[in-house]
Amino acid sequence: ETGVTQTPRHLVMGMTNKKSLKCEQHLGHNAMYWYKQSAKKPLELMFVYNFKEQTENNSVPSRFSPECPNSSHLFLHLHTLQPEDSALYLCASSQDATNLDTQYFGPGTRLLVL
Amino acid sequence: AQSVTQLGSHVSVSEGALVLLRCNYSSSVPPYLFWYVQYPNQGLQLLLKYTSAATLVKGINGFEAEFKKSETSFHLTKPSAHMSDAAEYFCAVSVSTGGFKTIFGAGTRLFVKA
Repeated sequence: ETGVTQTPRHLVMGMTNKKSLKCEQHLGHNAMYWYKQSAKKPLELMFVYNFKEQTENNSVPSRFSPECPNSSHLFLHLHTLQPEDSALYLCASSQDATNLDTQYFGPGTRLLVL
Repeated sequence: AQSVTQLGSHVSVSEGALVLLRCNYSSSVPPYLFWYVQYPNQGLQLLLKYTSAATLVKGINGFEAEFKKSETSFHLTKPSAHMSDAAEYFCAVSVSTGGFKTIFGAGTRLFVKA
């Protein structure tokens, strides 16, 4: 039990669909992260939120839209995705993004874009 | 800019044999270094981290890593492999850039043969 949950665990969507990924952390942390994990590629940081404020956008295409309504919840809204966006999307949390705190990861959402 | 290189995308060892997973980093400032493990269908879990204290770092599950500045390396070792060690292992480097930004390596998949 990592304390970070993600739903759904698997998602198949067409290129014209709109869907959202949800992440929830039960650890009392103030920082949350979205990562993209593609086969045979390093883990890519997408977004960072610290105390509900976005502090990092790693040149992510606008078809990915994050939302952090509070420190416990993080969403990734998806629209008009491309097949190359198929990947495992990992959420993580830590106590504070400005400190060297351990990041705790959720199990991920495996996304397939057809 | 910092970077991480993991030598070998796949490593295979026999049960009871030494595990050695290689990681070299590049950083213009003193780095913090991490090893994470990812079991199938799970998120990443922290194994150990180096934060400029002792150069030999002990982690969970019998793993340890040694920071060698002269070689810019942070190799992960375990004296005796167990079947349950089969997983993917990620080396990561983090430096202070206002906040802390963590860069992950491409990962090394460890196979353990009976």
